[in-house]
Amino acid sequence: DAKTTQPPSMDCAEGRAANLPCNHSTISGNEYVYWYRQIHSQGPQYIIHGLKNNETNEMASLIITEDRKSSTLILPHATLRDTAVYYCIVRGTHGNKLVFGAGTILRVKS
Amino acid sequence: NAGVTQTPKFQVLKTGQSMTLQCAQDMNHEYMSWYRQDPGMGLRLIHYSVGAGITDQGEVPNGYNVSRSTTEDFPLRLLSAAPSQTSVYFCASSKTSGRASDTQYFGPGTRLTVL
Repeated sequence: DAKTTQPPSMDCAEGRAANLPCNHSTISGNEYVYWYRQIHSQGPQYIIHGLKNNETNEMASLIITEDRKSSTLILPHATLRDTAVYYCIVRGTHGNKLVFGAGTILRVKS
Repeated sequence: NAGVTQTPKFQVLKTGQSMTLQCAQDMNHEYMSWYRQDPGMGLRLIHYSVGAGITDQGEVPNGYNVSRSTTEDFPLRLLSAAPSQTSVYFCASSKTSGRASDTQYFGPGTRLTVL
């Protein structure tokens, strides 16, 4: 699976959009981009995933660049409860192992 | 659906004791796995199962045993606990084992301390 690079931390004002970037320049054509978050040592929570097209669900939007080498997770109206570690993971088809890197610590501030 | 459940939430063991961490899912998922997370680190895969009766090792399997007699349950056994096994343990499951489009769902975790 391709490696990912994320900034170690970001701050966001409550009510504003949080835009979390992820670089995955070695991603291959059949690999998906997944986002999870972990709030204070709870179990990782699935947020969203995508292959090529932009995706949106009730939690967030995922924007994948046309060359697929990077993506951005968007939390449209961040709240204090969105403070967490956010993990960007690239996952291929040769098994179900998820490789968690260091992630991005998102701090939402009032 | 309860999703993925884990028991107990917390456990303290003495070195050399044995115990079983329980994991169950009610989503009829084929794939189940165990991860451990040490302070300030990412999750590391211990063991996984692609279906009842089939298990395999992850990247850190030493000191742990697993079995999968039913689709729903995937217990993790520590035969002789060591302080190095102090960690938070997460169980996860997904519908199948091979499709990258299948989402993995995680349980709430078991926080284990070995004295």
